[in-house]
Amino acid sequence: EAGVAQSPRYKIIEKRQSVAFWCNPISGHATLYWYQQILGQGPKLLIQFQNNGVVDDSQLPKDRFSAERLKGVDSTLKIQPAKLEDSAVYLCASSAGQFVSGGYTFGSGTRLTVV
Amino acid sequence: SQQGEEDPQALSIQEGENATMNCSYKTSINNLQWYRQNSGRGLVHLILIRSNEREKHSGRLRVTLDTSKKSSSLLITASRAADTASYFCATDGGGYNKLIFGAGTRLAVHP
Repeated sequence: EAGVAQSPRYKIIEKRQSVAFWCNPISGHATLYWYQQILGQGPKLLIQFQNNGVVDDSQLPKDRFSAERLKGVDSTLKIQPAKLEDSAVYLCASSAGQFVSGGYTFGSGTRLTVV
Repeated sequence: SQQGEEDPQALSIQEGENATMNCSYKTSINNLQWYRQNSGRGLVHLILIRSNEREKHSGRLRVTLDTSKKSSSLLITASRAADTASYFCATDGGGYNKLIFGAGTRLAVHP
């Protein structure tokens, strides 16, 4: 099966600019996640979707970050305006369900550099 | 907040040696998973162990889980240079289908 697709692969922007990341999960996976991974740290969950509804966005900085998952398939994560501390890799993952032995499938991520 | 904490933070070994990484977590779980991340890449799922399981094997990987101590370990036997990567444990925190990661162990395997 095709993996989780993310684009772009890399992005460099100036602070206060806006940026958007796109994710296409594995077909049929109801749950989609966005994680932020700062260099040297583990991934931190930003938002979790179940179909097109938000399950958890408690760690999403809502003053600057927004995400949507229209029609329960593709998802977009936006940052506006970006800050230097937003420099990180943004990972998208999808899952068919909690007790799936295969775990979650991650995309290759988008590396964001804010200068 | 991060649920799991890996130990050690970094590990350097020679090819052929075994590598052991430990993970401790704070809340009750339904399952615990281990992932590998090569530099600049996404995470790859290695193994999932359920809360009612104590040990699980997959190829050269062996995972143990002690729910009474809220800890898990990942053993990689006969390591290879290709095993060089960061390894993360992740738990669902007892919640609904949500994965929380630790800070990871950076493993370097030298030829």
